[in-house]
Amino acid sequence: SQTIHQWPATLVQPVGSPLSLECTVEGTSNPNLYWYRQAAGRGLQLLFYSVGIGQISSEVPQNLSASRPQDRQFILSSKKLLLSDSGFYLCAWSVEGGQPQHFGDGTRLSIL
Amino acid sequence: EDQVTQSPEALRLQEGESSSLNCSYTVSGLRGLFWYRQDPGKGPEFLFTLYSAGEEKEKERLKATLTKKESFLHITAPKPEDSATYLCAGFSGGYNKLIFGAGTRLAVHP
Repeated sequence: SQTIHQWPATLVQPVGSPLSLECTVEGTSNPNLYWYRQAAGRGLQLLFYSVGIGQISSEVPQNLSASRPQDRQFILSSKKLLLSDSGFYLCAWSVEGGQPQHFGDGTRLSIL
Repeated sequence: EDQVTQSPEALRLQEGESSSLNCSYTVSGLRGLFWYRQDPGKGPEFLFTLYSAGEEKEKERLKATLTKKESFLHITAPKPEDSATYLCAGFSGGYNKLIFGAGTRLAVHP
């Protein structure tokens, strides 16, 4: 069966510091991968998605970036965090577009 | 602009009291809609996919239906363990771009 892992579960970072969140999927090949952010009381906002290694589509202009160095690895990064980057970050995978997306347990990011 | 709206924002039920959650969408050319359950501090858990008006899916005490303008999640005789936030999400031509509603927080009390 397929599993998705995200780490860390929680992270507290100072403003201006860099960020790296990692997500890996097991049990499937060439998945579509997604990064979302969820603000309190609001719906999930799609940040990036990838349909293959090195292929990244950005949905929201911001100081975040994403990379896919391996087939089942998706990384969310920032060079300098802003207070507004606080939130709950979720990684997801799907077999292909239009199919259900399956989520990891997220990273709670707090910026101080 | 594509939008998904869920109502009510919060719902409190007594155990055994059936009800429905609503998901209305203005997604141009809706191709499909997903329902998810999210527990506090966890990622959403996939429940159902609906692709065409008139379609229905069931799982235990939950039944999801889809019309041309909205979807309903019916909860029959709920139990306290059904307490969670229920999210719906639609997609159109951009098959990778899900538009999520803000969710309905359901609390079922014994």
